[in-house]
Amino acid sequence: ETGVTQTPRHLVMGMTNKKSLKCEQHLGHNAMYWYKQSAKKPLELMFVYSLEERVENNSVPSRFSPECPNSSHLFLHLHTLQPEDSALYLCASSPTRTGVNEKLFFGSGTQLSVL
Amino acid sequence: AQKITQTQPGMFVQEKEAVTLDCTYDTSDPSYGLFWYKQPSSGEMIFLIYQGSYDQQNATEGRYSLNFQKARKSANLVISASQLGDSAMYFCAMREGHYTGGFKTIFGAGTRLFVKA
Repeated sequence: ETGVTQTPRHLVMGMTNKKSLKCEQHLGHNAMYWYKQSAKKPLELMFVYSLEERVENNSVPSRFSPECPNSSHLFLHLHTLQPEDSALYLCASSPTRTGVNEKLFFGSGTQLSVL
Repeated sequence: AQKITQTQPGMFVQEKEAVTLDCTYDTSDPSYGLFWYKQPSSGEMIFLIYQGSYDQQNATEGRYSLNFQKARKSANLVISASQLGDSAMYFCAMREGHYTGGFKTIFGAGTRLFVKA
């Protein structure tokens, strides 16, 4: 299997639930990202990991907790979410996190609905 | 301030015709990269084309070309000979940064393209 794989594809959760999104890349990349895509808004960068170290957290609420156990796997742990957190969550990777020419490789996303 | 502006929420094009999707950007960095991504209904963002700020020639990738006008800070995507499979959301993106502070890729709001048979 190649590319970036995200599971689950769809997730419905209540505001008191705890769930996790999973991302796996088979490209040998060193950088991984979480983006949030809400309706009618540009993609928002949430977190950046480089060589398993979190290098960026763009003022994301603490109810979102990322984890990168190795360079191939990235998780987003969710708890006590709000309805406005409903969105498509996209995982991406790139060979490195430096350079202006680094293109991103995306997964198909997890469509999250918070009830 | 918005750094990537895509002013066309939706566009229609007849099959086999060419279409231009607009993108303007704002940066004070001399070194940056410009990208276009396609997002079909499946959700996955697919890289289409890249233009570096120092590249002298416009980038081309098959039916895709990027009309780069640096002085105007525009990076329009031209799709030639549109196909039904081109119907999707298209995002313009810019990557800028520094080796000490890190690099970021930021996206515009997107343009939804509809190709008519």
